[in-house]
Amino acid sequence: EDQVTQSPEALRLQEGESSSLNCSYTVSGLRGLFWYRQDPGKGPEFLFTLYSAGEEKEKERLKATLTKKESFLHITAPKPEDSATYLCAVNNAGNMLTFGGGTRLMVKP
Amino acid sequence: DSGVTQTPKHLITATGQRVTLRCSPRSGDLSVYWYQQSLDQGLQFLIQYYNGEERAKGNILERFSAQQFPDLHSELNLSSLELGDSALYFCASSPQGAGGYTFGSGTRLTVV
Repeated sequence: EDQVTQSPEALRLQEGESSSLNCSYTVSGLRGLFWYRQDPGKGPEFLFTLYSAGEEKEKERLKATLTKKESFLHITAPKPEDSATYLCAVNNAGNMLTFGGGTRLMVKP
Repeated sequence: DSGVTQTPKHLITATGQRVTLRCSPRSGDLSVYWYQQSLDQGLQFLIQYYNGEERAKGNILERFSAQQFPDLHSELNLSSLELGDSALYFCASSPQGAGGYTFGSGTRLTVV
């Protein structure tokens, strides 16, 4: 059974304080690892897809990396508008996404 | 606007009732997925349809059912509702083959 574990569950940062979110996974036949951002009461918003170990993707202050067992979402010099829940998910051979529990990020000005 | 449309946005109903949630996928997307998100469970996969046919089932209760119509919109039917069914229900769509989903804005169901 596919499993995705995210840590920490919650993270408080000061504006400008860089950090990383972790996503550990076990999946049979990985067809992609996905990062989403979710604001309260809204649907998840797609950020990145990673397909193979060593791959990296960047978007503004966010950078996602992938190894064979985990993925990291690095946030550089975050701003208050980066506050959200960040979700990690894996896509298996059945094209079904299994999500982790998410990391709630709060960035204080 | 993600391109995935869900209606209604909010729904309040009593225990024992039946409701229908509707989803229109992004133009060109053949796959529709339904997810339930409650505070203590996170995003849980319910069911997937591809071009009108059921493709995969997750932990969907027997009281719940879904279908995808020829115009590719999908409906999720929830019956004999219980308090524990209160949650956000998301629809997502994807094009043919593997790839990430695009989510709608969800329907917030409150069972009282």
